[in-house]
Amino acid sequence: DSGVTQTPKHLITATGQRVTLRCSPRSGDLSVYWYQQSLDQGLQFLIQYYNGEERAKGNILERFSAQQFPDLHSELNLSSLELGDSALYFCASSAGGAGGTHEQFFGPGTRLTVL
Amino acid sequence: LAKTTQPISMDSYEGQEVNITCSHNNIATNDYITWYQQFPSQGPRFIIQGYKTKVTNEVASLFIPADRKSSTLSLPRVSLSDTAVYYCLVVINYQLIWGAGTKLIIKP
Repeated sequence: DSGVTQTPKHLITATGQRVTLRCSPRSGDLSVYWYQQSLDQGLQFLIQYYNGEERAKGNILERFSAQQFPDLHSELNLSSLELGDSALYFCASSAGGAGGTHEQFFGPGTRLTVL
Repeated sequence: LAKTTQPISMDSYEGQEVNITCSHNNIATNDYITWYQQFPSQGPRFIIQGYKTKVTNEVASLFIPADRKSSTLSLPRVSLSDTAVYYCLVVINYQLIWGAGTKLIIKP
C-alpha cells in the first residue's frame, strides 16, 4: 500500500460525458501527479501540482483539467469524453516538487471505460 | 526535444543477471535518472535513482556513464517475480520524460 488513494476504482460512462477522478496523496506529500495509461501502453504524464500550484504540464488535452485543493487532494476532470479516453488513470505523490528527484508513490489507479 | 528510448521487451531465465538500458538525450548534468517497476493493473513502484557513475541498493544497480546519454538498470539473479515492465524516467526543466517501458519476462 503506497498510501495514495484514488476514487473511484472503476468508472463506466458514455461518450460526451464528464467525469471527475479524485486523488489523496500520502500524508505530508505536497506534489500530486496525474498519468494516463492506455491498454498495453506506457505512462503519459498529464500534469503536476505542488502545494496547490501547477508545476508542470505534459500531454494533457484541453478537455482535461485538474486542480489541487488546500488539503492537498487533487481532482482530474475529463470532459466531452471520447472512446479513446478509455484508460487507466494514475495519481502519484511525492514529498518535494521535483518529480525526478523525489520518489513518486503511485495510487492503485482509476479504470475509465467510455462506451 | 527530450526523449528516452528503451528496448520494447527482453527475456531471461531465473538466476541470471538482467541489464536494461535506457538512452536519453539532452539530459543536464544534475538531472536524476530514475527507474520504476510496474506489474499489471498496478501503479509503478520506485526501484532506484542516480545521476552519475553507479548506485546500488538492495534490489538493483544503476550504471550511468560519464556522458550521461544512457543508463543501465541491472537486476542481479532475477526470479519469476521480476517479470514486469520497467520504465526509465528523466526530468528536464520540470518535464517528466518517461520511457515507453521494457517488458521483462523471466522464464524458469
